[in-house]
Amino acid sequence: GDSVTQMEGPVTLSEEAFLTINCTYTATGYPSLFWYVQYPGEGLQLLLKATKADDKGSNKGFEATYRKETTSFHLEKGSVQVSDSAVYFCALSSRYNQGGKLIFGQGTELSVKP
Amino acid sequence: SAVISQKPSRDICQRGTSLTIQCQVDSQVTMMFWYRQQPGQSLTLIATANQGSEATYESGFVIDKFPISRPNLTFSTLTVSNMSPEDSSIYLCSVAGNTEAFFGQGTRLTVV
Repeated sequence: GDSVTQMEGPVTLSEEAFLTINCTYTATGYPSLFWYVQYPGEGLQLLLKATKADDKGSNKGFEATYRKETTSFHLEKGSVQVSDSAVYFCALSSRYNQGGKLIFGQGTELSVKP
Repeated sequence: SAVISQKPSRDICQRGTSLTIQCQVDSQVTMMFWYRQQPGQSLTLIATANQGSEATYESGFVIDKFPISRPNLTFSTLTVSNMSPEDSSIYLCSVAGNTEAFFGQGTRLTVV
């Protein structure tokens, strides 16, 4: 079945460091890919998305490119801030259920120190 | 977009009791989803709730333990029945947009 694998956390960075959180997926067909963020004590928020191969999603300085050849959707940010401390989830939605039922990776906790 | 309200936001319950979680959406939606997030874990889909039909449960989840109601296109409830400490989790309601899913704030359940 479909699945998502994320790099394990926690990840601890200093402010202004470069961030990469790896995400790879297994799916039949052409899924949509998402990054969701969960700030401490809050619900899930969509960070960015990509719906087809080679699409780049971006938001708040974060980027991820849908790479079909490597089945990856790695999250990057050039300069992290303390306020980026959160848990980040990579997820996919199958082509025939766009935006609905999601399969999540295990989540990666990011802690940014001043 | 969709705004989702979940109640209660948190609760502490005795083992053996049941808790019903409510999910209200500000627009009519066809499908609603219930997820569980166990401590330190990812989100796992419990079931999909369609209005006018029985919910569809994922492997490992059964209706007797997690009965779901979907009386109309803006509302759903999830009941966690005969609770044990292993049911301590965050339960989240979600709805499908055109290209993304929207989530409620979650219900943090602790079973003692």
